[in-house]
Amino acid sequence: EVVLTQSPATLSLSPGERATLSCGASQSVSSNFLAWYQQRPGLPPRLLIYDASSRATGIPDRFRGSGSGTDFTLTISRLEPEDFAVYYCQQYGSSPWTFGQGTKVEIK
Amino acid sequence: QVQLQESGPGLVKPSETLSLICTVSGGPISSYYWSWIRQPPGKGLEWIGYIYYSGSTSYNPSLKSRVIISVDKSKNQFSLKLNSVTAADTAVYYCARDGYNFYFDYWGQGTLVTVSS
Repeated sequence: EVVLTQSPATLSLSPGERATLSCGASQSVSSNFLAWYQQRPGLPPRLLIYDASSRATGIPDRFRGSGSGTDFTLTISRLEPEDFAVYYCQQYGSSPWTFGQGTKVEIK
Repeated sequence: QVQLQESGPGLVKPSETLSLICTVSGGPISSYYWSWIRQPPGKGLEWIGYIYYSGSTSYNPSLKSRVIISVDKSKNQFSLKLNSVTAADTAVYYCARDGYNFYFDYWGQGTLVTVSS
């Protein structure tokens, strides 16, 4: 199975700053089938990005996905208070679909 | 707006079978894949398996020997059965709709299932 490794585990930033989250795959993700999710405490994950760089419906343009092959990045251009949460990447290029272990973006 | 809602017992005894139902509203269950995903307390996400509305399934090999996912199109529901549970199966269980290419675009709120005697 494809193992996804997210870094860093925790990112401490202030509102208005830029966040850069990484997701590395143990093998190339087929067709760049990679998604990003945001999870706030007590809530289900929310789809942000699919196919590595396509924003889901209703997602603000401060969220940007990029990358290909084994290296993917989620960039949040200017952090809003509601963006402090845990972020997961997920690959759906080869079964079983797998998730990274998450990156927590916390208020500095 | 598609909505999903999990239902089922919140407490299951070790060695017994965990059974959950996901009810889909706001749209038909037809023409989509539907998944179960779980999250142990304080940990990450694990995909359990999916079912297509026609009934075809795919399971995570790590759980395949213990899982059955089924669909009831007449009720717009799909269900999860996980047998021989242990404390390691304690988790929040989510049902979700697979988007066009198996990312998850709609999620239920999740239900905590605790395995304990």
